[in-house]
Amino acid sequence: GAVVSQHPSWVICKSGTSVKIECRSLDFQATTMFWYRQFPKQSLMLMATSNEGSKATYEQGVEKDKFLINHASLTLSTLTVTSAHPEDSSFYICSALVPPGEKLFFGSGTQLSVL
Amino acid sequence: GNSVTQMEGPVTLSEEAFLTINCTYTATGYPSLFWYVQYPGEGLQLLLKATKADDKGSNKGFEATYRKETTSFHLEKGSVQVSDSAVYFCALRGTGTASKLTFGTGTRLQVTL
Repeated sequence: GAVVSQHPSWVICKSGTSVKIECRSLDFQATTMFWYRQFPKQSLMLMATSNEGSKATYEQGVEKDKFLINHASLTLSTLTVTSAHPEDSSFYICSALVPPGEKLFFGSGTQLSVL
Repeated sequence: GNSVTQMEGPVTLSEEAFLTINCTYTATGYPSLFWYVQYPGEGLQLLLKATKADDKGSNKGFEATYRKETTSFHLEKGSVQVSDSAVYFCALRGTGTASKLTFGTGTRLQVTL
């Protein structure tokens, strides 16, 4: 099946710094990728839909200026958590839509801990 | 809005035991229902799905039946193996929502010898 690589798998940073998470489709071109976040004991929540070459579409309640999404190529989408704070500590997962159907493949996730 | 509720884990079973992980949902219209599995260090993988009422999805010995009358999609396996140890996520895709998925909280399954 298709492979989605997410990096890093875990990151620890100081409060106020920015963190970038990468999501790559390794053997296919993904025009659409999704970013999810999961807090402990809660559901995976969709944060935004990332479309290659255009602005991301954010879900209600997600701050677009805090969670910057860039999808500049057909194989790479990045999520940057700007000025991270402890409440941003969470598990972030990306997924990519495999053309031509609607199959989704997921990255292995990134555990972010903000001190 | 759409929502998915699944049983809290962790679930600990001995090898060859019967597994049930409950999942219920709330949605308008006729959603598609999914079970995803995440093995340690890997991404979520689609395990099985059902797209209409009374459909049964099955894969790798796992089964789930789309029950509209009880709004449920419980995951079952007759005899679990140690290699089934993973986190299982129930999810739905609502009518007309493209590929946006609504997930449950995930249930961790630990199978011991």
